[in-house]
Amino acid sequence: GIQVEQSPPDLILQEGANSTLRCNFSDSVNNLQWFHQNPWGQLINLFYIPSGTKQNGRLSATTVATERYSLLYISSSQTTDSGVYFCAVERGDSSYKLIFGSGTRLLVRP
Amino acid sequence: DGGITQSPKYLFRKEGQNVTLSCEQNLNHDAMYWYRQDPGQGLRLIYYSQIVNDFQKGDIAEGYSVSREKKESFPLTVTSAQKNPTAFYLCASHGTGVPFSEAFFGQGTRLTVV
Repeated sequence: GIQVEQSPPDLILQEGANSTLRCNFSDSVNNLQWFHQNPWGQLINLFYIPSGTKQNGRLSATTVATERYSLLYISSSQTTDSGVYFCAVERGDSSYKLIFGSGTRLLVRP
Repeated sequence: DGGITQSPKYLFRKEGQNVTLSCEQNLNHDAMYWYRQDPGQGLRLIYYSQIVNDFQKGDIAEGYSVSREKKESFPLTVTSAQKNPTAFYLCASHGTGVPFSEAFFGQGTRLTVV
């Protein structure tokens, strides 16, 4: 099946710093999403981005489908950005199987 | 408001009991999913369904069962055959048209074996 790898696994930042999270996938995809899991466990949708670039405030994401990776940029990080960031992909064969990476655990210190 | 509702939020199960977790969506989505998350780990796919009356096993289906009798509902039963059921369970849904639509998650159910 499709493999989804996220890096780095853990990241510690000082408040105000910028960061880049990476998601590599092993096959063509129809769907790619970035989620933030908050301390209560809820998954918050950040970006639906099978290709191209999107921005939402301090966050932006870029997916290069032909090279099979996606990047999530966090600028001017805040303590509320702490949590786990997941990338999820849906294989490009209409299987509708949504597969998650193992996540990047981010801690932003004040 | 449109969304996905999981219930209950917390569930306690005695060993040997079957329990059913509820997942309802009013987003008119065709595809629905169940995931399991263990502490400090990622999400693992249990079962998914693309359409009513049809579902497929995910990566860790053993000890679980599902049904999809209605488009809006995709309940998950954790059977006594699941030896380590204590975990956080998340339900998701998305549309299956082209282009594929964004997936949304419920707030989860924390299951504990007592």
